[in-house]
Amino acid sequence: KQEVTQIPAALSVPEGENLVLNCSFTDSAIYNLQWFRQDPGKGLTSLLLIQSSQREQTSGRLNASLDKSSGRSTLYIAASQPGDSATYLCAVRGNAGNMLTFGGGTRLMVKP
Amino acid sequence: KAGVTQTPRYLIKTRGQQVTLSCSPISGHRSVSWYQQTPGQGLQFLFEYFSETQRNKGNFPGRFSGRQFSNSRSEMNVSTLELGDSALYLCASSGRHYPSGANVLTFGAGSRLTVL
Repeated sequence: KQEVTQIPAALSVPEGENLVLNCSFTDSAIYNLQWFRQDPGKGLTSLLLIQSSQREQTSGRLNASLDKSSGRSTLYIAASQPGDSATYLCAVRGNAGNMLTFGGGTRLMVKP
Repeated sequence: KAGVTQTPRYLIKTRGQQVTLSCSPISGHRSVSWYQQTPGQGLQFLFEYFSETQRNKGNFPGRFSGRQFSNSRSEMNVSTLELGDSALYLCASSGRHYPSGANVLTFGAGSRLTVL
């Protein structure tokens, strides 16, 4: 059974800092890994998707890497801004169907 | 292209009642998945439907059920509501993303259920 863990559970940083969020998973037989953002009381916004054959994806100030063999992914946020404050969720999809297994999330606060 | 639409957005029920939530996927998407999000358990997979057939099911009691119609719209039903069913219920539809070709899940805004 796939298990996904995110560290840290919460993070508070001053504006402008570069930061790294970590995600680990127990079963390396994945189809892809997705990073989401969730604002309080809202749904999920997809940030980056990495296919199992890829090593990283970039979008603006965000960069996600994937090391399937070690069961790890990182989300790098450059030059953080107060608008980045949200919960960031990592989810892995197995090879059967569209079921995602989510980590517990990292709650990020960027202080002005 | 319209996103994933969930209705109702908010609802309040009492214990023992039943509830039906609706999800309209992105046009052309044939797969719809449902997730429950609670502060204690996080996001958990409920079930997935593809072309009107349940393809995967999570570890939830039989009080939780769903269905998908020929136009890909999906509904989920929870019978005999319990206090612990209070949660944000999220629906996601899945289809090919162009130009990458990747199969991407897009989530709706959710239906927030409160059971009193």
